[in-house]
Amino acid sequence: GQQLNQSPQSMFIQEGEDVSMNCTSSSIFNTWLWYKQEPGEGPVLLIALYKAGELTSNGRLTAQFGITRKDSFLNISASIPSDVGIYFCAGRTGSARQLTFGSGTQLTVLP
Amino acid sequence: DSGVTQTPKHLITATGQRVTLRCSPRSGDLSVYWYQQSLDQGLQFLIQYYNGEERAKGNILERFSAQQFPDLHSELNLSSLELGDSALYFCASSVVGQGNTEAFFGQGTRLTVV
Repeated sequence: GQQLNQSPQSMFIQEGEDVSMNCTSSSIFNTWLWYKQEPGEGPVLLIALYKAGELTSNGRLTAQFGITRKDSFLNISASIPSDVGIYFCAGRTGSARQLTFGSGTQLTVLP
Repeated sequence: DSGVTQTPKHLITATGQRVTLRCSPRSGDLSVYWYQQSLDQGLQFLIQYYNGEERAKGNILERFSAQQFPDLHSELNLSSLELGDSALYFCASSVVGQGNTEAFFGQGTRLTVV
């Protein structure tokens, strides 16, 4: 089946630093999504990307849909303690509605 | 609060048993999705229902089944449970079954099989 390779697996950063994480796939996706999951909660949608090359921001978060449609990245600028959590990329192909998820990036922000 | 309600939040049961997980979608959402999140497999799509009909199937075991009722709530039935079925089970719902309308996830049911 389809697989998304997400990296890095974990990150420890100082408060105020910028963060970058990415996802790659051997398959083409027509939608890329980025989610954040906190302990005891379900994934929460951060950014949705629907067109190759699209660059979208949500506050301090910026994500891009790769030109090849096989990758996406998420940047977080000026990290703060509440950014702690697991970030997942997810992709969708064709007319299917179900998502294929990456393995997640565990982000820890040190004061 | 996503508006998607899952019950129970936690469930502990023995191997070989059968359990039912329940999901109430957001008001107005016709599509319901079930996902399993385990340490070794990550988040995996199980099954989707749209307005009572099965729409798509993922890596769902034959021991598992689901349905969506006329009031649009959904149930995921897990039978002949094994230790490896221990996981978080998420339900998500969306307005329609296609187009750029993304799903909202519930808080999940944590299933522990002992």
